[in-house]
Order: sequence, then structure tokens, then C-alpha cells
Amino acid sequence: AQSVTQLDSQVPVFEEAPVELRCNYSSSVSVYLFWYVQYPNQGLQLLLKYLSGSTLVKGINGFEAEFNKSQTSFHLRKPSVHISDTAEYFCAVSDNYGQNFVFGPGTRLSVLP
Amino acid sequence: NAGVTQTPKFRVLKTGQSMTLLCAQDMNHEYMYWYRQDPGMGLRLIHYSVGEGTTAKGEVPDGYNVSRLKKQNFLLGLESAAPSQTSVYFCASSYSTGDGELFFGEGSRLTVL
Repeated sequence: AQSVTQLDSQVPVFEEAPVELRCNYSSSVSVYLFWYVQYPNQGLQLLLKYLSGSTLVKGINGFEAEFNKSQTSFHLRKPSVHISDTAEYFCAVSDNYGQNFVFGPGTRLSVLP
Repeated sequence: NAGVTQTPKFRVLKTGQSMTLLCAQDMNHEYMYWYRQDPGMGLRLIHYSVGEGTTAKGEVPDGYNVSRLKKQNFLLGLESAAPSQTSVYFCASSYSTGDGELFFGEGSRLTVL
């Protein structure tokens, strides 16, 4: 069985500062890894995904994430955040058939002026 | 392009009442899912379907039923609503193979009094 841990439930950060949102997973099989973003009163949108290949993955809106197999982590980073990045961010893992998704509990990013 | 559409978007029920949430997707996806989202718990899978005419239980199926009579539609039913079913419900769909990305609807907020 797969599981996802997001250690930080809330992350406040000032505008233009860097941010890292942490994600750790456990799985007995090879996995695909995802970050989804949920803006207020909306559904989830895909931010980026790791399927295979380069461990550094770039997504939309300037976000990137790095897959670290030895540490079973997939942390999300952005070098300079904007007010518009305020949202909830979910890390998710699926098996390598692209099914059996498991979501983390989410991290609420608040960007302060 | 509509993507994934959920109806209704809001509903208030009294304990014991029944209702059905409708999810429709126009992307010809094989897989469809119903999740519920509760604060601090991320998304939890209720039921899912791997194709027309097939359904399966997810992590939290009790109190819910589903049907997939047509490929594009996935219905979630509550036969006798309980206050514990107050939540935001999300429908999602995905291709049966490939990179496994989920496409989400905008959510349906259900309150059971």
C-alpha cells in the first residue's frame, strides 16, 4: 500500500521569498508522483508530475520538484512566490500503471504582502 | 471544452434524505472517481470505475452507491444522508493507461443537517 506525508499543514511566506513544500511517500512498488494545486473554491489542477527520467521536474507557474528515491521524497519548490500562489497544494502518488492514487493531507500556502 | 462537470454545486439535505450527484466528462476517459475532501484529511476515494458498467469500492465507500451506465457519466448516490457526509465531493477522470493524470471537476458542497 502507498501513503503520502506532507509534514507542513500550513506554510506562510512573504511575497518574493522562496518556498519549499515537503512531501514524503512510501510504496513497495515503483511510483508516479504528482503535485496538484487547489485555488479557493475550485477543483484540483495538475502542477507537475514525475513519471521517469530526470529527477528534476518543472511545472507550471514557475514551480519545480525533485524526486529523491533514496529519501522517498518529492519536495516542491519555487524561488520567488507571488500573492497569486496562495492555495492548497497536494502531493499524490500512484502506482506505475497510473492508477491507485493516494493523496497527502495538503499544505496550505499563504503568501503575505 | 467542458472537461469534468459536476451537478449540483451546492446542496443542503436533512438527515435521512437521499440525493444523487452527477459527474459528466467529455474527454472519453475510461476511469472515473469520486473523492470527498475534508479539512486536514486531503482527498479520500469513495468509489471508482474502470469502465462503463463497472464500479469498485475505494477507501471510504460506506453510505454511498455509484453507477456508471454510460461511459461519460458517473453518479454518486446517498441513500440516507448523515451529518458525517457533510463534505466537498470531487469527481475526477483519467485515461486508462499513460501518465495517469487526474482531471477534476469543480466540486459539490454538500451539507447534511
